[in-house]
Amino acid sequence: DGGITQSPKYLFRKEGQNVTLSCEQNLNHDAMYWYRQDPGQGLRLIYYSQIVNDFQKGDIAEGYSVSREKKESFPLTVTSAQKNPTAFYLCASTLTGVSPLHFGNGTRLTVT
Amino acid sequence: AQTVTQSQPEMSVQEAETVTLSCTYDTSESDYYLFWYKQPPSRQMILVIRQEAYKQQNATENRFSVNFQKAAKSFSLKISDSQLGDAAMYFCAYRRGIGETSGSRLTFGEGTQLTVNP
Repeated sequence: DGGITQSPKYLFRKEGQNVTLSCEQNLNHDAMYWYRQDPGQGLRLIYYSQIVNDFQKGDIAEGYSVSREKKESFPLTVTSAQKNPTAFYLCASTLTGVSPLHFGNGTRLTVT
Repeated sequence: AQTVTQSQPEMSVQEAETVTLSCTYDTSESDYYLFWYKQPPSRQMILVIRQEAYKQQNATENRFSVNFQKAAKSFSLKISDSQLGDAAMYFCAYRRGIGETSGSRLTFGEGTQLTVNP
């Protein structure tokens, strides 16, 4: 079955360490997205990519980096510059145009 | 910038009853799309219903329907015959229309936590 896979489901890191969250899709979708979810704040867009080797900053890109070397993969790196990295991270993808977003199951990152 | 507001952090409904979740948005665009997503305790985001702004007819999906008031920039979700499985966080979301260069990025509201009482 086609879908979006995020791994791991739970991730723990020490403060000051970079950490990379994985997102893979086999839906042949062109566009991919990373959202951050905090309690009471809904989802906020970190980065998005509409095509391989190209990506754009979202609303809260500071302290994060991404790459899009393959259509299927859009990893997110949370760097030590991110002041408050503990959150739930959701990856999504879509065909271009009017298709709705499909979401992965998310990764809960805890930094202590 | 577009904003989406959900003024009800929490709502509750009795099983088999009807509940309406509110959403308002702010935009200067004329072409856009609106969505309701459901996030159950598993935290999987599930698309419930979507509405194209150019369509006057309100969207309906089984027990879920919307009341889309374009002039008032209001997009409420009505859940009829509520079931225990409807308990979840519900998010309203906005997307600019086709042709917009930033892809299908969504702007989300803060969410409404719906409890269904047996």
